[in-house]
Amino acid sequence: EAGVAQSPRYKIIEKRQSVAFWCNPISGHATLYWYQQILGQGPKLLIQFQNNGVVDDSQLPKDRFSAERLKGVDSTLKIQPAKLEDSAVYLCASSFPFQLTGELFFGEGSRLTVL
Amino acid sequence: KQEVTQIPAALSVPEGENLVLNCSFTDSAIYNLQWFRQDPGKGLTSLLLIQSSQREQTSGRLNASLDKSSGRSTLYIAASQPGDSATYLCAINAGKSTFGDGTTLTVKP
Repeated sequence: EAGVAQSPRYKIIEKRQSVAFWCNPISGHATLYWYQQILGQGPKLLIQFQNNGVVDDSQLPKDRFSAERLKGVDSTLKIQPAKLEDSAVYLCASSFPFQLTGELFFGEGSRLTVL
Repeated sequence: KQEVTQIPAALSVPEGENLVLNCSFTDSAIYNLQWFRQDPGKGLTSLLLIQSSQREQTSGRLNASLDKSSGRSTLYIAASQPGDSATYLCAINAGKSTFGDGTTLTVKP
């Protein structure tokens, strides 16, 4: 069974530039998540999708971050313009709904460095 | 708001020792609790999933327990090996997931 796929693995940009990350979840998983993980900390939820609808985006800095999940499968996370404090690993995860014994599965992450 | 705490932040043990990692949470209204392992520069690998109605789960040398009434979970690692060196994170899955900051384990040969 294929896992959660993410790209790119690494990205270096200068502040005020834009960047986009892509995620393909495990087949059949209706729920998709984007997390931000800063070095030394646990992942922090940015946005949660159920199919192609947003369930929770309360922690997403909407002035610079945006995310979409077209057709309820793949998702992209965009940052524009990037700030130095956006340097982090962006993790994508997918699951069945927690109410249905959902277990989180993560991709390898996309490491962003903002100079 | 759910808060998750993992103590200690770092732990170093000699090879062969049995050890316990702790995870505490503030809101017991959860669907499940999940333990992960994270190697440097890698994503999170799921180790054990405990449903809200369960008390413990076992996989090989790992045993995880859940006590919702006290807001605690433990991950027990038996006969530790250098390959167990990694950061261990717990996640509380309710309406959304909340993670602790992890315990970084070093097992010395």
